Amino acid sequence: EADIYQTPRYLVIGTGKKITLECSQTMGHDKMYWYQQDPGMELHLIHYSYGVNSTEKGDLSSESTVSRIRTEHFPLTLESARPSHTSQYLCASSEVGTQWGQETQYFGPGTRLLVL
Amino acid sequence: AQSVTQPDIHITVSEGASLELRCNYSYGATPYLFWYVQSPGQGLQLLLKYFSGDTLVQGIKGFEAEFKRSQSSFNLRKPSVHWSDAAEYFCAVAPMDSSYKLIFGSGTRLLVRP
Repeated sequence: EADIYQTPRYLVIGTGKKITLECSQTMGHDKMYWYQQDPGMELHLIHYSYGVNSTEKGDLSSESTVSRIRTEHFPLTLESARPSHTSQYLCASSEVGTQWGQETQYFGPGTRLLVL
Repeated sequence: AQSVTQPDIHITVSEGASLELRCNYSYGATPYLFWYVQSPGQGLQLLLKYFSGDTLVQGIKGFEAEFKRSQSSFNLRKPSVHWSDAAEYFCAVAPMDSSYKLIFGSGTRLLVRP
């Protein structure tokens, strides 16, 4: 199992504010991910990283940005929050299996964001 | 396009009863398959996974799932449900050629009657 930490767990913020959601993992996993989940809905991949200095956009378009300066840290930033950004954001990292491609993603507890 | 279908939005079972949650996928080849559980306000916890081999997979908390290639299904089962099993359950698939791309179903919410 991976130990993945996300802070803050809950955030209420006004429109136009800059926010950074923190995600850290202690397992040394190279691959990390950010998902967005609206209440009662499936998860959608918004960003991923294969390792340090690697970031890619996911399938769901997002106005957020990410950085990967350290293996264990994968923060997500919104430069100017809007009510449409209200959602739950889940961070994950993946453990590679014995065969190529056999990855298992482990998730953090999530950050619930409310933009007023 | 790959997709995952969980046809049951809600399922209610009595405590002690058996449970089966359905999951069907659409993909040209056999993908990697996962079941996750999400308690209210929490992240996702991995219940079990299928990569290859035995099509009946055992997981944590007494759950198991069976991969049926002919039906493109990966249904989750538990012989006796506990009240603490009430949660949202997500099936997910990852194509073998891009296994980082987990594709999630829309989830099934399990309610447990005392």
